[in-house]
Amino acid sequence: QKEVEQNSGPLSVPEGAIASLNCTYSDRGSQSFFWYRQYSGKSPELIMSIYSNGDKEDGRFTAQLNKASQYVSLLIRDSQPSDSATYLCAAHSGSARQLTFGSGTQLTVLP
Amino acid sequence: KAGVTQTPRYLIKTRGQQVTLSCSPISGHRSVSWYQQTPGQGLQFLFEYFSETQRNKGNFPGRFSGRQFSNSRSEMNVSTLELGDSALYLCASSLQSSTSTDTQYFGPGTRLTVL
Repeated sequence: QKEVEQNSGPLSVPEGAIASLNCTYSDRGSQSFFWYRQYSGKSPELIMSIYSNGDKEDGRFTAQLNKASQYVSLLIRDSQPSDSATYLCAAHSGSARQLTFGSGTQLTVLP
Repeated sequence: KAGVTQTPRYLIKTRGQQVTLSCSPISGHRSVSWYQQTPGQGLQFLFEYFSETQRNKGNFPGRFSGRQFSNSRSEMNVSTLELGDSALYLCASSLQSSTSTDTQYFGPGTRLTVL
């Protein structure tokens, strides 16, 4: 069973703080990784994708990938109440041609 | 460019009935994947279609089926509905599925309630 695990949460951070979301995956064949944000009652919205080891920054978001440790993370700097949502980590295996999602981490940013 | 569209947005059915959900991908996207999302099981992969062919299937019973048309629009069908089929059904499109870096974009989903 190829799995993606996320820290269970819920996670609460004060406004302006850094939120750190973590994810591990079991399939070493996974080649690309995605972070989606899902507001309550809405569909997942892509935040970032990452394919290579290291960091990738996009505005207040930084994704980090370590394939040796099979670990992916998402940092949200200067967190805003509007960032309050469930964050889904997903791994894509080229051979399986499907996205496997973690169970999600619920983030609450307190004003 | 318009996003992924799904119809209907909400559906209420009773046990034993069947249902058909529709998905129109982003223009130019040829791959359509379907997912079921429930509070207990999270997001689970149903199947993926590319050029009218099912390329991959998740671990769901045969009551769940789908198809893709030549214009890349896709439908999924659930027969003999069960209470446990109540879920948010999400469709995601991607440009092509030949590379693992292909990004999937989700539609708004169809909320199915089985009574």
